[in-house]
Amino acid sequence: NAGVTQTPKFRILKIGQSMTLQCTQDMNHNYMYWYRQDPGMGLKLIYYSVGAGITDKGEVPNGYNVSRSTTEDFPLRLELAAPSQTSVYFCASSYSASGGRDAQYFGPGTRLTVL
Amino acid sequence: GQQLNQSPQSMFIQEGEDVSMNCTSSSIFNTWLWYKQDPGEGPVLLIALYKAGELTSNGRLTAQFGITRKDSFLNISASIPSDVGIYFCAGQRTTSGTYKYIFGTGTRLKVLA
Repeated sequence: NAGVTQTPKFRILKIGQSMTLQCTQDMNHNYMYWYRQDPGMGLKLIYYSVGAGITDKGEVPNGYNVSRSTTEDFPLRLELAAPSQTSVYFCASSYSASGGRDAQYFGPGTRLTVL
Repeated sequence: GQQLNQSPQSMFIQEGEDVSMNCTSSSIFNTWLWYKQDPGEGPVLLIALYKAGELTSNGRLTAQFGITRKDSFLNISASIPSDVGIYFCAGQRTTSGTYKYIFGTGTRLKVLA
């Protein structure tokens, strides 16, 4: 079991470039999430998905897009990178069901710098 | 967006000392989770609590789900240098049928050998 994997680990973008952050989980979890963590701060939810084909906005969705075509994959897309998107991005997944003993599991993160 | 009130924000302690930190909220939660984040890594789940009043241990770590469902605490006994890191609490509740996790702002722990 690899858990939650993210690629790339590091990336430097120029302003206006686009990129996709990849996230895969092999735990058959129905829920997946994208967070960003700014230096010295907590986690802010960007987007989440409750299952394949279903996504919804979190707290800070502007400038990002997601898709969930399979249970395993939940890529995060930045269309026009801006310096304000410099952050560490974490993907997470959980199995959440009524009465379930749910918990979130995190990937190792992608460190993105926009110059 | 809402975040949980986590305290203390940071603490320096001597190796061997016990550590206590807590999270409070104005809302009730169904689940409380405690994570540790090492520098350059993602948060790792330490303890999960599912029932009000529940007390759970994981080695030197003990956490409790508050009776009111609005708070939780984490204790670390006999701290060691590798306990250094940031500890986050997270509460889970269901909103309009969707599971939501709210995170605390973190407690930065530094252990002096």
